[in-house]
Parts: sequence; structure tokens; C-alpha cells
Amino acid sequence: DVKVTQSSRYLVKRTGEKVFLECVQDMDHENMFWYRQDPGLGLRLIYFSYDVKMKEKGDIPEGYSVSREKKERFSLILESASTNQTSMYLCASSSAQKEDTEAFFGQGTRLTVV
Amino acid sequence: QKEVEQNSGPLSVPEGAIASLNCTYSDRGSQSFFWYRQYSGKSPELIMSIYSNGDKEDGRFTAQLNKASQYVSLLIRDSQPSDSATYLCAVPRDDKIIFGKGTRLHILP
Repeated sequence: DVKVTQSSRYLVKRTGEKVFLECVQDMDHENMFWYRQDPGLGLRLIYFSYDVKMKEKGDIPEGYSVSREKKERFSLILESASTNQTSMYLCASSSAQKEDTEAFFGQGTRLTVV
Repeated sequence: QKEVEQNSGPLSVPEGAIASLNCTYSDRGSQSFFWYRQYSGKSPELIMSIYSNGDKEDGRFTAQLNKASQYVSLLIRDSQPSDSATYLCAVPRDDKIIFGKGTRLHILP
């Protein structure tokens, strides 16, 4: 059974803190993604990675960075958390080996910045 | 024009009726299309994929693709209260997957 696991289901952090969101997949997928989801705005891509140590900015990268040191792990970093980063964060992975393949999602992390 | 567009709803459908969800896309070169279902507070899960023009059926779900008109739809027959969710249309582009904003579906008991 395919699995994408995010390290936390709920997080509460203070403004200015450095926040790490971790994501691990066990499907040997090349591609990994970080999205945030807000009411009325849908899924917005923050960053994605198509290989180890490779990353590309998505639609809303400001205030975020990522790290992919191993194929199975993709981390999202909020360098200095702000209240407008309160959101649901979703990690996903997909294979690059098949053409046009679907994404599998983790369970999501609901982050609240106070 | 947004890459993937959906009516945000909410779409209210009586229990037992057919729910019809629509999606249009801008890239004529797109070859495959996905429908995800997302329950409130949960992550999206894939329910249908379609690659060829025409219909694809899976149980109560039918995906319809019309590449000439650049739209893809999802029909849910015999709608159940458990079908109440947000349905996301998605289209791969390069190594990314582009999602519509989703349509909220509410099945009325």
C-alpha cells in the first residue's frame, strides 16, 4: 500500500519561529511536492523536487525553503513563521517513470502560527 | 485563463440523483486527467483517471473526456450522503500536477 507520511497532523508555532515540516514517502517516487490549501484558494504549489537535492519554486515560494537530501524525504522550512502562514500543508509524491502519473498525498499538517 | 477551472459550488444534489461535476483546462497538449475527492479536514484521494476521449466507468463514477472542447467531467450516479465532499480536477504538466480549486458537492438526504 502506497504511503506518504507527514510528521505532524497539527502544529502550533509562535511568530518568528523556524518551523520544519517533514514528509516521507515509501514508493521510491522521484517527484515530491509541497502545497498549502486555504479556503477559496484551492491547492497552491509552494515548491517541488524532481530529484535528490533538486528543487523548483512553485507559485508561492516566498517565506519558505525546502530540502531534499534523500529521495524519500522532502522537508518544508518556514524560516520565520508569520500568522499569514497559518494553513493546511499537504505533501505529495508522484513517479516520473510513468507518463502522466497521479500524485499521492500525505494526511496533511494543519499549522497555526500565533 | 486559469490552467484548470472548476465551478466552486456548492452543488446540491438530492440523494439518489446524478451529480455532474465539470472541469475545463487550457493546455491542448494535456493527455491525462484526474479526479480527486477531498473530505473536509482530510487530504485529497484519487478516485478516477482518464486518458482517452469518451467515457470511463468505475462503479457509480463515470469520467468523461472531450479533448476537442477541453473539458472533463465526473458523473456520480445514485448519489449518497457519503459523496458529500470537494472534488478536485487535476492535469499533469511537465513534472507538476495542476489542480483546479475544486467543486463542493453536497448530497441532500
